[in-house]
Amino acid sequence: QSVLTQPPSASGTPGQRVTISCSGSSSNIGSNYVYWYQQLPGTAPKLLIYRNNQRPSGVPDRFSGSKSGTSASLAISGLRSEDEADYYCAAWDDSLSGPVFGTGTKVTVL
Amino acid sequence: QVTLRESGPALVKPTQTLTLTCTFSGFSLSTSGMCVSWIRQPPGKALEWLALIDWDDDKYYSTSLKTRLTISKDTSKNQVVLTMTNMDPVDTATYYCARIPYGDYGWFDPWGQGTLVTVSS
Repeated sequence: QSVLTQPPSASGTPGQRVTISCSGSSSNIGSNYVYWYQQLPGTAPKLLIYRNNQRPSGVPDRFSGSKSGTSASLAISGLRSEDEADYYCAAWDDSLSGPVFGTGTKVTVL
Repeated sequence: QVTLRESGPALVKPTQTLTLTCTFSGFSLSTSGMCVSWIRQPPGKALEWLALIDWDDDKYYSTSLKTRLTISKDTSKNQVVLTMTNMDPVDTATYYCARIPYGDYGWFDPWGQGTLVTVSS
């Protein structure tokens, strides 16, 4: 029951820039912070971006987040093979009174 | 260092009740703003938020599952327990617990390693 919509897949060659979109509504992205998570194969998700565009310590500055209206984006610049993973956006939803996740995007490095 | 670890049965039968325990260290659930949440992920599918409990013992549940879920905490043991009643094969998933710092209810960090629960007779 994902409320936030992401493209199923994205790909690029090493060194390229890849952007992943996350579309929501006024009750979630439009009025709350957006978070991004990276899930490497066979592992638990890891926080990548918090409060729209902030990087936790240890996350490379190749990863950046932005938000505009009811949509958000995650950009990966200088794509590397180790970036191959599933990426999820998340936000609090005022109507549901709970956090909601995106549908997930699988990033492939060609 | 903050760590969380999920524990519980790997296999449950349909209609049974699932009880999962999240044991954590490196923070206190009595600290203002601190919360622990449960999230699940069916094989090959997206993440789904289930429930969260905060430092003040306020509880929030997924609207689609609220009638089946109960979350509770034992601050002295550093544990959070999730029960889910009337299990069904569609509930087969990896169940994760995660910390929510600062009362920021989208900010899950870190996550436990997850525990796979299979529902089958």
